[in-house]
Amino acid sequence: QKEVEQNSGPLSVPEGAIASLNCTYSDRGSQSFFWYRQYSGKSPELIMSIYSNGDKEDGRFTAQLNKASQYVSLLIRDSQPSDSATYLCAVNTRTDKLIFGTGTRLQVFP
Amino acid sequence: SQTIHQWPATLVQPVGSPLSLECTVEGTSNPNLYWYRQAAGRGLQLLFYSVGIGQISSEVPQNLSASRPQDRQFILSSKKLLLSDSGFYLCAWSLDSGPYEQYFGPGTRLTVT
Repeated sequence: QKEVEQNSGPLSVPEGAIASLNCTYSDRGSQSFFWYRQYSGKSPELIMSIYSNGDKEDGRFTAQLNKASQYVSLLIRDSQPSDSATYLCAVNTRTDKLIFGTGTRLQVFP
Repeated sequence: SQTIHQWPATLVQPVGSPLSLECTVEGTSNPNLYWYRQAAGRGLQLLFYSVGIGQISSEVPQNLSASRPQDRQFILSSKKLLLSDSGFYLCAWSLDSGPYEQYFGPGTRLTVT
């Protein structure tokens, strides 16, 4: 079992729709959770951090964490073509390292 | 604010040649530093990380090595490149205390021919 799992996609959504990206993790002791956005040919960019159960909103982005189900998600409201990228989920498992998922490719079409 | 630099941006090297990639961080002290490699269409592979000067942890045994000669400088090296070393090399930093969110540099795209 992979430590951090994501569906590779592509996830295709029309412009203006909500994109829902999901991530599961295996270590119940994980404490910090992050979402990165990576455009093709570019380095990953941190877009959301979440540390406690529930929702955290930042503009069009909402991160959701459910530690009991070992599940973290990212919602993107009013999706735009500029949101088309690969989204990486990362988890801190009580060390000074992050475990990254392999990413979900999101395509937003006009 | 903190800034992370990597150079060169792109590099084409023949098989068997040496490699030196450099990463520097500005605006913070005693950061944790990380080297990753991302092969085409693949996920991030952690190669090395460092929690202080001269302290290097290797995640993957291979022909690469890393050094941290100064607090905010991290160097990735190889004596002889292999074709399989091609990829996108990323340096990242985090604070030396939790939650360890990492910030990436712009990366170096290495092609070994």
